[in-house]
Amino acid sequence: DAGVIQSPRHEVTEMGQEVTLRCKPISGHNSLFWYRQTMMRGLELLIYFNNNVPIDDSGMPEDRFSAKMPNASFSTLKIQPSEPRDSAVYFCASSRIGTSGDNEQFFGPGTRLTVL
Amino acid sequence: AQSVAQPEDQVNVAEGNPLTVKCTYSVSGNPYLFWYVQYPNRGLQFLLKYITGDNLVKGSYGFEAEFNKSQTSFHLKKPSALVSDSALYFCAVRDPNTGNQFYFGTGTSLTVIP
Repeated sequence: DAGVIQSPRHEVTEMGQEVTLRCKPISGHNSLFWYRQTMMRGLELLIYFNNNVPIDDSGMPEDRFSAKMPNASFSTLKIQPSEPRDSAVYFCASSRIGTSGDNEQFFGPGTRLTVL
Repeated sequence: AQSVAQPEDQVNVAEGNPLTVKCTYSVSGNPYLFWYVQYPNRGLQFLLKYITGDNLVKGSYGFEAEFNKSQTSFHLKKPSALVSDSALYFCAVRDPNTGNQFYFGTGTSLTVIP
């Protein structure tokens, strides 16, 4: 299995531009999570989906952030307009909700976003 | 509320010595507990988990963790540290009664000194 795939791996953009991060979860997984990691705030959960449905988006910092999961094999996280304080590493993770619900999350390699 | 605490931001240990990275949790029910490791410029990698059963759980790369219900702890241990173990370690908890969300600790940076 290829694992969780994220693209792009690096993104440098200017303030005010739209940024779209992409994630392909592991095949067969039905939960998907978006995290943000910074030195100051550590690892933060932004939003997660179960069976393509957003369950908890309370971690999304502002209306500038939005996430979609149109099907089981693809998700996007969009920032519009981007600001310098959005600079961070964004991780996508997926897991499978089992009957016992004990399945671990598998993380992608992350997208390092720099907003100038 | 569910939460997990890693009381040490930084742990230093000499190569060959035993290491411990501490984690305590707070959940309303019986917790599912996990340890992850993050190497520089990489995503988090799963190390081990406790769901039920034996309190001592063995995982990848020679790591193990002990679940202690009375102390609500799940400390990560390794008998003999390697320089290559130097990384950022995250403890996570999931309360099976409240959905599929994981709660991660703030991370502990482990440095193994040659």
